[in-house]
Amino acid sequence: DIQLTQSPSSLSASIGDRVTISCQASHDVSDFLNWFQQKPGKAPKLLIFDASNLDTGVTSRFSGSRSGTNFTFSISNLQPEDVATYYCQQYDHVPVTFGGGTKVDI
Amino acid sequence: QVQMVQSGGEVKKPGASVKVSCKTSGYTFTSYAISWVRQAPGQGLEWMAWINIHNGDRQYAQKFQGRVTLTADTSTATAYMELKSLGNDDTAMYYCARGGETTVNNYWGQGTLVVVSS
Repeated sequence: DIQLTQSPSSLSASIGDRVTISCQASHDVSDFLNWFQQKPGKAPKLLIFDASNLDTGVTSRFSGSRSGTNFTFSISNLQPEDVATYYCQQYDHVPVTFGGGTKVDI
Repeated sequence: QVQMVQSGGEVKKPGASVKVSCKTSGYTFTSYAISWVRQAPGQGLEWMAWINIHNGDRQYAQKFQGRVTLTADTSTATAYMELKSLGNDDTAMYYCARGGETTVNNYWGQGTLVVVSS
């Protein structure tokens, strides 16, 4: 199975900060890596698909990139509504796997 | 607009089965797979399986092989996930999501809470 190691597991930042989350894949997943946001009591929401593509209607403050098997998710100009847990997901190989999540607080 | 509406919460005893439904609308049901993902209380996301609605192909996570069954009713655009031989550790929120195989999970149901308790 492909392991996705997300770091950090939690972070606290200030309004307006730039926040970066890492997701390291144990094997090559090509660009088949997505990022989700989950707020308490809600379903996950797709933010970034295929490593760097912003889903429709998602704010451009969110971005994603890839370098080999290392993926990065960033939030620029952190806002109160960004408080959530963020997950990476690979779907290149079955079983589909998720990272452990990163909880972002203000 | 695309909607995925799941059935209501369930309370089951250990050893029982549960069947969760996911009624879709707003898109061509047979054009996308449906995936099932669960989340135990306070834990992360865990992929269970997906079904290709068009050709019926299914993929299951090994830990659920033999215990989970995915079906779909194209006449009502509804997908189903049945989980058998429930244990206490199956207590979780169960989500359906459009997509799987080669497409991303860009629409999700609201979740169905399944509680397993004696």
